[in-house]
Amino acid sequence: KAGVTQTPRYLIKTRGQQVTLSCSPISGHRSVSWYQQTPGQGLQFLFEYFSETQRNKGNFPGRFSGRQFSNSRSEMNVSTLELGDSALYLCASSGGTTSTNEKLFFGSGTQLSVL
Amino acid sequence: AQSVTQLDSQVPVFEEAPVELRCNYSSSVSVYLFWYVQYPNQGLQLLLKYLSGSTLVKGINGFEAEFNKSQTSFHLRKPSVHISDTAEYFCAVTRIQGAQKLVFGQGTRLTINP
Repeated sequence: KAGVTQTPRYLIKTRGQQVTLSCSPISGHRSVSWYQQTPGQGLQFLFEYFSETQRNKGNFPGRFSGRQFSNSRSEMNVSTLELGDSALYLCASSGGTTSTNEKLFFGSGTQLSVL
Repeated sequence: AQSVTQLDSQVPVFEEAPVELRCNYSSSVSVYLFWYVQYPNQGLQLLLKYLSGSTLVKGINGFEAEFNKSQTSFHLRKPSVHISDTAEYFCAVTRIQGAQKLVFGQGTRLTINP
């Protein structure tokens, strides 16, 4: 069974641009979560999608948004990029039923650099 | 809200020595507890988890952790480390019911010296 796939692996953007990151969950998984990892703030929860609906959201500005498609694939978008958005963005999937906090499977991440 | 404190940002040990990585958490509700490992340029891999039952949990790669409710701790241990254990280790908690959201500690960088 293929794992969680994130594309692209690396991305370089300049301030003010926008970026879209993609995540394909493990086959059959309906929940996709996104996390931001930086040296200063560590790992922080961005949002979670389940069956195309945002189920939970972290404390990030509205510039960070996401969506999930009917095949459970998810995209994350960051508009008006700032230098501080440089980070490793990790996607995780799980089965997504009512009590699914038991195990998340993580992708290798997209390393975003904002210049 | 939940919070996690990893008491050591870096832990250097010699190969074949034992190691303990410390984790304390705070939560007003019942939680699940996890340890994840991150190798360079990779995502997170689950080492072990505590959901309920026995407080001593065994995971992959010879790691184990003990849940101590009274001390709100979940320390990770390995009796004999290898060079390949060099990585960053993250302790995390999540509510048992509700939001699918992991709250992570700041991480502990484990360095194994030959």
